Amino acid sequence: AQKVTQAQTEISVVEKEDVTLDCVYETRDTTYYLFWYKQPPSGELVFLIRRNSFDEQNEISGRYSWNFQKSTSSFNFTITASQVVDSAVYFCALSTIYGNKLVFGAGTILRVKS
Amino acid sequence: GAGVSQSPRYKVAKRGQDVALRCDPISGHVSLFWYQQALGQGPEFLTYFQNEAQLDKSGLPSDRFFAERPEGSVSTLKIQRTQQEDSAVYLCASSFDIAGVTDTQYFGPGTRLTVL
Repeated sequence: AQKVTQAQTEISVVEKEDVTLDCVYETRDTTYYLFWYKQPPSGELVFLIRRNSFDEQNEISGRYSWNFQKSTSSFNFTITASQVVDSAVYFCALSTIYGNKLVFGAGTILRVKS
Repeated sequence: GAGVSQSPRYKVAKRGQDVALRCDPISGHVSLFWYQQALGQGPEFLTYFQNEAQLDKSGLPSDRFFAERPEGSVSTLKIQRTQQEDSAVYLCASSFDIAGVTDTQYFGPGTRLTVL
């Protein structure tokens, strides 16, 4: 069975602080995909990143960076110099290569205060 | 628009009523998914279509839930005899999926269903 755990229910930071959102996953598959989505107050899930299990290189996109470590089954997400607009619920998700359906974690609420 | 659209955005139903929720996927996307998101939780998979074929309906919680995608484009999720526990946001997503390989799913804004 597949499972995604986001242990941090809620995080509050002050603007310009760096923040890391944790994601730990479980799967028996050797090939799989990992995702991060952002859900702002409007409710729509916004895609942030997709990473396959063969690519353990860290990725940086502007203020966002992702650290994928197969050895610890983790796919953590860091926001550098957080901004109020980063306030949202962030979901980590897992999918097999052919299974298609996404298995989501419970989400982490991020509150960035000015 | 270019994204996934869903209608209605909000639906209030009395217990026992039937409801129909519509999803328009991104044009050309082969795969379509329905998820249910209860308050304060992550989305949970309901069902999956590849074109008009419903390949996985393992997440449908009961036989009151039915989904279709007759022409491989627009999909409808129908809930019969709604119960209070059906209250949730219903999210639709679509993906391109070349040769069935998992692709990025893009989500619509959701339909918030409240059953009184």
